[in-house]
Amino acid sequence: AQSVTQPDIHITVSEGASLELRCNYSYGATPYLFWYVQSPGQGLQLLLKYFSGDTLVQGIKGFEAEFKRSQSSFNLRKPSVHWSDAAEYFCAVGAGSSASKIIFGSGTRLSIRP
Amino acid sequence: NAGVTQTPKFQVLKTGQSMTLQCAQDMNHNSMYWYRQDPGMGLRLIYYSASEGTTDKGEVPNGYNVSRLNKREFSLRLESAAPSQTSVYFCASSRQGASNQPQHFGDGTRLSIL
Repeated sequence: AQSVTQPDIHITVSEGASLELRCNYSYGATPYLFWYVQSPGQGLQLLLKYFSGDTLVQGIKGFEAEFKRSQSSFNLRKPSVHWSDAAEYFCAVGAGSSASKIIFGSGTRLSIRP
Repeated sequence: NAGVTQTPKFQVLKTGQSMTLQCAQDMNHNSMYWYRQDPGMGLRLIYYSASEGTTDKGEVPNGYNVSRLNKREFSLRLESAAPSQTSVYFCASSRQGASNQPQHFGDGTRLSIL
């Protein structure tokens, strides 16, 4: 069965600094991978997704993620964070044709230091 | 463009009371989902509906029932609320199947069971 691990519960970075949020997955075949962002009091919004092809995917709000099969990772990056990026970020993995087969990680809360 | 609309946004219940959470989407999506979000646990799938007329259990279905009323609407019912069901509930929809389609989320229902 697939699983997702986000090892960092909470990260604080300074505004303007670079960001990397870690995500490790477990799945036997090539997975479908997602990053979602949740602002306080709101639902989740899709940042980017990886299905196949180029392992570096670009998303909204200046985010990107790189799929590394050898490391079973799909880390999210941003070169320079803004105060508005403070939110909770969820990595998710989907597998197979079943509609239920998407698993979310437990999330990483990002705080921005002025 | 409303997307996914959940009602109510907040609710407080007493143990043993019943309640139905409503969800409607206006994107002509086939698949709809109910999740619960608890601190440190990410999102866990309660029930999903791959298409109109079908529903299936997710990871944590006990204590809940669902109805896919039509293509737009998917409701979640708590027949006899328990304190363990205190959570934030999210409805989501996708064009077809979760594993390779991005999901669109509502803003959530914050439910407290006393």
